[in-house]
Amino acid sequence: DIVMTQAAFSNPVTLGTSASISCRSSKSLLHSNGITYLYWYLQKPGQSPQLLIYQMSNLASGVPDRFSSSGSGTDFTLRISRVEAEDVGVYYCAQNLELPFTFGSGTKLEIK
Amino acid sequence: QVQLQQSGAELVKPGASVKMSCKAFGYTFTTYPIEWMKQNHGKSLEWIGNFHPYNDDTKYNEKFKGKAKLTVEKSSSTVYLELSRLTSDDSAVYYCARGGVVDAMDYWGQGTSVTVSS
Repeated sequence: DIVMTQAAFSNPVTLGTSASISCRSSKSLLHSNGITYLYWYLQKPGQSPQLLIYQMSNLASGVPDRFSSSGSGTDFTLRISRVEAEDVGVYYCAQNLELPFTFGSGTKLEIK
Repeated sequence: QVQLQQSGAELVKPGASVKMSCKAFGYTFTTYPIEWMKQNHGKSLEWIGNFHPYNDDTKYNEKFKGKAKLTVEKSSSTVYLELSRLTSDDSAVYYCARGGVVDAMDYWGQGTSVTVSS
């Protein structure tokens, strides 16, 4: 199985500043078709996860453009510019390259 | 609009089985697979398997083979997850999600909490 690795907590950030969350996969998620099968989800407190980013760098519908994502085949970064209070929660990276689909352990966004 | 509505919380005894549902609204049910995930309290997500209503294709995480079974009732746009021989390790929240256009889980149900206790 592909292992997705994340830190448990982000570096604490002040509202209005930027945050970065990292994720690493045990195998390259770059398919021969040129698509990188890396996804980001946010689970706000008491809610179901919601899709933020698909195929490594594409913003899901309705997600603010303060969110962006980039990476290589195995190392990925989610960036949040101008962090808002509504961004708090646990951020999960996930891979859909091969079965079984797997998730990282989640990174909790820490606000100062 | 697209919604996935899951059945309510369950309290079940060890050794029993439980069957929960995920009813889809707002799109053509047979177009996309339904994915199922397990979330232990406060922990990460595990993919259990998926069911594609178009051709009844079913895939399972090896870890959940023999534990989970996915079935469908197309007339009501509902996919079911049945868990058997329950133990305390099966106590968790179970989510269904639509496997959308870009292979992402783009819509999620509200989750079904399962507690296994005597």
